[in-house]
Amino acid sequence: KQEVTQIPAALSVPEGENLVLNCSFTDSAIYNLQWFRQDPGKGLTSLLLIQSSQREQTSGRLNASLDKSSGRSTLYIAASQPGDSATYLCAALEEGFQKLVFGTGTRLLVSP
Amino acid sequence: DAGVIQSPRHEVTEMGQEVTLRCKPISGHNSLFWYRQTMMRGLELLIYFNNNVPIDDSGMPEDRFSAKMPNASFSTLKIQPSEPRDSAVYFCASSLYGARSGYTFGSGTRLTVV
Repeated sequence: KQEVTQIPAALSVPEGENLVLNCSFTDSAIYNLQWFRQDPGKGLTSLLLIQSSQREQTSGRLNASLDKSSGRSTLYIAASQPGDSATYLCAALEEGFQKLVFGTGTRLLVSP
Repeated sequence: DAGVIQSPRHEVTEMGQEVTLRCKPISGHNSLFWYRQTMMRGLELLIYFNNNVPIDDSGMPEDRFSAKMPNASFSTLKIQPSEPRDSAVYFCASSLYGARSGYTFGSGTRLTVV
């Protein structure tokens, strides 16, 4: 059974810092990995999707990497801003299945 | 594109009552997913449909929960009778070509059963 873990559970940084969020999964047989952002009381917004054949994806200040062999993905946020404060979730799509398995999330607070 | 639309946004009901949550997926998406989010368990997949057909309902917690997708543009999740432990945020998501293309989530329905 696929299990997805995110470390740290919470992170507090001052504005302007570069930061890395970690995601690990137990079964490397995945189709893709997706990073989401969730603001309090809101739904999930897709940030980046990395297919299993890709090593990384970039969108603006965000860069996500994927290492299937080690079962790890990272989300790099450059020059963090208070507006980046949210919970970040990663989710892995298993081969042969159609459901995403979510991690428990990292709650990020960027202070001015 | 209006995205995935869920209704109602909030629902407060008494224990024992029937609750119906609604979802309109993105037009053209052929897969629809119902998730439940709680503090204790995070996001859990309840059921998903491909081309309006239920494919996997192994996540549905008990027989009190049922879901339907009568056509490509509408789905319901029903809880009857509701219990306080059903209190959670219920999300609907849709995707194209199954989940391989990534999910788009609705804003969720916050259910409180008192």
